[in-house]
Amino acid sequence: GENVEQHPSTLSVQEGDSAVIKCTYSDSASNYFPWYKQELGKGPQLIIDIRSNVGEKKDQRIAVTLNKTAKHFSLHITETQPEDSAVYFCAASFGGTGNQFYFGTGTSLTVIP
Amino acid sequence: GAVVSQHPSRVICKSGTSVKIECRSLDFQATTMFWYRQFPKKSLMLMATSNEGSKATYEQGVEKDKFLINHASLTLSTLTVTSAHPEDSSFYICSAIRDFSYEQYFGPGTRLTVT
Repeated sequence: GENVEQHPSTLSVQEGDSAVIKCTYSDSASNYFPWYKQELGKGPQLIIDIRSNVGEKKDQRIAVTLNKTAKHFSLHITETQPEDSAVYFCAASFGGTGNQFYFGTGTSLTVIP
Repeated sequence: GAVVSQHPSRVICKSGTSVKIECRSLDFQATTMFWYRQFPKKSLMLMATSNEGSKATYEQGVEKDKFLINHASLTLSTLTVTSAHPEDSSFYICSAIRDFSYEQYFGPGTRLTVT
């Protein structure tokens, strides 16, 4: 089955700096890669996603890049703010209704004011 | 947007009793819903895949007779923890995939404490 690895497990940045979280996956058949933000005591929230036919996607301060050849994808957060502090999870899926998502182990991001 | 609700958000029950958790997709249909369990500072552990109108598919190591799942409609799935024990205390999260879509949306979670 698919195996998703995520690094780093914890990340601290100064407010205004950029944060990068990286994930690798093992199954080349995976074609959908979402990123979730989870605040303490809440469910994960989808913040951005990318499909395998696209190399990069951006939404305001958040961007995701995908390298299919190397089987890795990354989340980039620019101009970080204290409210960006949370746990971030990457995931990989074969896509389509009913297909399981394989999650990374999570990155705890702390933005220091 | 796509909203998934869970009820209750918190529940405390006594050992040996059963607890039902509801998961609803409020503004979209979801043939497939998932149930996860999350331990403190850990990732999401998939328990089972719930498909409307059919039996749930359980992950290895998850007792189907203990964690009963029913997906009776395109907007509602329920998880019943039967004969709960303190080791069942955890954060349970459901999610739903919008039909004909790739996106999976999560509920806010249910904190179960078994005393």
